[in-house]
Amino acid sequence: TQLLEQSPQFLSIQEGENLTVYCNSSSVFSSLQWYRQEPGEGPVLLVTVVTGGEVKKLKRLTFQFGDARKDSSLHITAAQTGDTGLYLCAVDTGTASKLTFGTGTRLQVML
Amino acid sequence: KAGVTQTPRYLIKTRGQQVTLSCSPISGHRSVSWYQQTPGQGLQFLFEYFSETQRNKGNFPGRFSGRQFSNSRSEMNVSTLELGDSALYLCASSLLGRTNTEAFFGQGTRLTVV
Repeated sequence: TQLLEQSPQFLSIQEGENLTVYCNSSSVFSSLQWYRQEPGEGPVLLVTVVTGGEVKKLKRLTFQFGDARKDSSLHITAAQTGDTGLYLCAVDTGTASKLTFGTGTRLQVML
Repeated sequence: KAGVTQTPRYLIKTRGQQVTLSCSPISGHRSVSWYQQTPGQGLQFLFEYFSETQRNKGNFPGRFSGRQFSNSRSEMNVSTLELGDSALYLCASSLLGRTNTEAFFGQGTRLTVV
């Protein structure tokens, strides 16, 4: 059983469309992070959410942490080809720098 | 400033051999973590080193080991390689390795075991 389940697993959309990616768990977390990994690269941190119900915006990306701090969503408005990549949610379940990653959502944005 | 550097980028080994991967963290960062990424299991935590001491260990067999040097550079070693060890091995560094601090990842070493 995965601690963090992401959905959908794969997403292929046209440029300009909107999309939402979900990260769900039955556990409560003090914070949650979202990463994007492009082909041939390591993951890059996009955002950390720490408060239940928190909404953070990063240009066209909107991140929300669930009220109960068990789930999170990432919404992309007007997707661009540069948004293509693997989106990963992660939590720090250990004492330090021990990240547990979600199953991942692979996004392909086409022209 | 320079990012996290992993060498080599690609490696092909034969079953039964051993391999050593290297990671140079961002200057000043004292925490180095290692992860294995495979299509089937995703990204999984291997171990974390801080000031030359292993602080955390994931659920991997003893064939996987690591160490950290006084300059914070880290190496991981996999002995008696198996086909299932084929993966992208990622290293991440952070300043102090505290909870909720940002981890910076290298580009990874892609290991293929044949």
